[in-house]
Amino acid sequence: GENVEQHPSTLSVQEGDSAVIKCTYSDSASNYFPWYKQELGKRPQLIIDIRSNVGEKKDQRIAVTLNKTAKHFSLHITETQPEDSAVYFCAGGGSTLGRLYFGRGTQLTVWP
Amino acid sequence: DAGVIQSPRHEVTEMGQEVTLRCKPISGHDYLFWYRQTMMRGLELLIYFNNNVPIDDSGMPEDRFSAKMPNASFSTLKIQPSEPRDSAVYFCASSFAQGVVGYTFGSGTRLTVV
Repeated sequence: GENVEQHPSTLSVQEGDSAVIKCTYSDSASNYFPWYKQELGKRPQLIIDIRSNVGEKKDQRIAVTLNKTAKHFSLHITETQPEDSAVYFCAGGGSTLGRLYFGRGTQLTVWP
Repeated sequence: DAGVIQSPRHEVTEMGQEVTLRCKPISGHDYLFWYRQTMMRGLELLIYFNNNVPIDDSGMPEDRFSAKMPNASFSTLKIQPSEPRDSAVYFCASSFAQGVVGYTFGSGTRLTVV
């Protein structure tokens, strides 16, 4: 089956700096890559996603990039704020894979 | 829509007792997933259903765990007998398509087995 790896497991940045979280996947059949944010004690919530026919997608301060050749995708957060502090999960999936496969998560801490 | 609804939010039980977690997916969503989250293992998929039929239960840790989906609007995850190592947050999620759209998660049930 698919294997999604996520790095780093923890990330600390100063408020206003950028944060980048990277994921790799193994199955070339994967064509859908969502990102989830989970605040402490809350549910994972979808914040942005990208499909394999697109190389980059932006939504205000967050952006995702996808490199199909290298089988990796990344989440970029610019101008970080303390409220960005959370665990972020990447995932990969596709119609032939049967389900989404999640990475292990990245604990992002933004220091004021 | 009220989203994915899970109950109870918190459950504290003694070792050996039966525990039943409940989930109501979003109306119209054909897929339902049960996840377990711990610090050690992250998000683990336990089982998922499509149109009320279990598709993949390979993540169910052992025979003490069972899940049912008697209809499109209700699913249960049962642990019998419970053990302290079952302590975790259990999430239910639903989706209207498989692998090509994101899942919507419920608020989770925090289970503590003492």
